[in-house]
Amino acid sequence: EVQFVESGGGLVQPGGSLRLSCAASGFTFSNHAMHWVRRVPGKGPMWVSRIYGEGSSGNYADSVKGRFTISRDNAWNTLYLQMNSLRAEDTAVYYCTRDLDYVFDYWGQGTLVTVSS
Amino acid sequence: QSALTQPRSVSGSPGQSVIISCTGTSSDVGGYNYVSWYQNHPGKAPKLMIYDVTKRPSGVPDRFSGSKSGNTASLTISGLQAEDEAEYFCCSYAASYSWVFGGGTELTVL
Repeated sequence: EVQFVESGGGLVQPGGSLRLSCAASGFTFSNHAMHWVRRVPGKGPMWVSRIYGEGSSGNYADSVKGRFTISRDNAWNTLYLQMNSLRAEDTAVYYCTRDLDYVFDYWGQGTLVTVSS
Repeated sequence: QSALTQPRSVSGSPGQSVIISCTGTSSDVGGYNYVSWYQNHPGKAPKLMIYDVTKRPSGVPDRFSGSKSGNTASLTISGLQAEDEAEYFCCSYAASYSWVFGGGTELTVL
């Protein structure tokens, strides 16, 4: 069974940093690109970032480019999102999702990030 | 405001059919056959229901179907059941390795 467990969320001050983790199981992790998607309660989801299976490069939404970095450790089946220079508008639940040719076929339950002073 | 427009809510009685629309532009929904739909129950992980506009993952009942016309995609749920009550949101690929989502539609089974 494909499963994801996100962790690392919490309360952080504006300008601060957080690193999210997503532990994957139930499939060959290195065979799949992975994404981070976030959702502000009451609003639609927003795609944040994608990384290829081998971890060679990532793509980012314009609103996070230059502040967030996606990475992965295929030996540990774990996806990461390093978030720097956090802003109030980054407050959201962050989900890791698996890529299936331009589709998000499995999602985690998310981890809440709150940026507030 | 989300990039794709969905109705806030729809409702139907058990056994009836409902259609949820998802309107975008020629740069996303209208430009690619990569529209997907997700079912979201509170406190649970979103579940893929339809992908590539019309395809159903294994295990999704054939009561769920998808279609697209121009810049609008639709999710049809036939033979409504109580367990279908949930939020549904759409997603489309939007070029240059980016994706856009709808705001979500709450389905109430009366």
